[in-house]
Amino acid sequence: EVQLVESGGGLVKPGGSLRLSCSASGFTFSDAWMSWVRQAPGRGLEWVGRIKSITDGGTTDYAAPIKGRFTISRDDSKNTLYLQMNSLKTEDTAVYYCATISRGVWGQGTLVTVSS
Amino acid sequence: SYELTQPPSVSVSPGQTARITCSGDALPKKYAYWYQQKSGQAPVLVIYEDNKRPSGIPERFSGSSSGTMATLTISGAQVEDEADYYCYSTDSSGNPPFGGGTKLTVL
Repeated sequence: EVQLVESGGGLVKPGGSLRLSCSASGFTFSDAWMSWVRQAPGRGLEWVGRIKSITDGGTTDYAAPIKGRFTISRDDSKNTLYLQMNSLKTEDTAVYYCATISRGVWGQGTLVTVSS
Repeated sequence: SYELTQPPSVSVSPGQTARITCSGDALPKKYAYWYQQKSGQAPVLVIYEDNKRPSGIPERFSGSSSGTMATLTISGAQVEDEADYYCYSTDSSGNPPFGGGTKLTVL
């Protein structure tokens, strides 16, 4: 079964850090371009960023609001995607999904709440 | 910056055809994808590469693209199709590729 499972969400204070993980199974993770997408309460889908497969260069792209604060990485030996979030702001509060967007594979999401 | 524009809402009666549009300057060169999201659930891909339907998606869902506009068509919309729909298009420059979403009401 093709599956993505996120973990690591929770409550964090403004200015704090959090690392999300996304464990993949059921497909060749190393071949996949992986993305993080978030959705603030009552809002639409917002693309956070993407990492290409290592064979395609392994490079990353980020949305403007998070550039310089968030870092996406991957460990193909563990079939795991990461999102390191630093300098968190209240407006980063959202459900965070990992996904292979063009293949239609999404996790169930993990909630990140940034509040004092 | 690159943007995908969708109407905020579309409303149809059950059995009617619903059309949701997505406009973007890069669509003549890039595929469009369509996602359905019901309340509290992760998005579900209903159309990929402009007009292909994943397995398990009902035949009433179809997609097309012409020039700078992509269209999701639901022929004979049903109450269970009521959801938010998002278009998406790949963009290698890193610009946000999701449209703002369209709330489909079927009643």
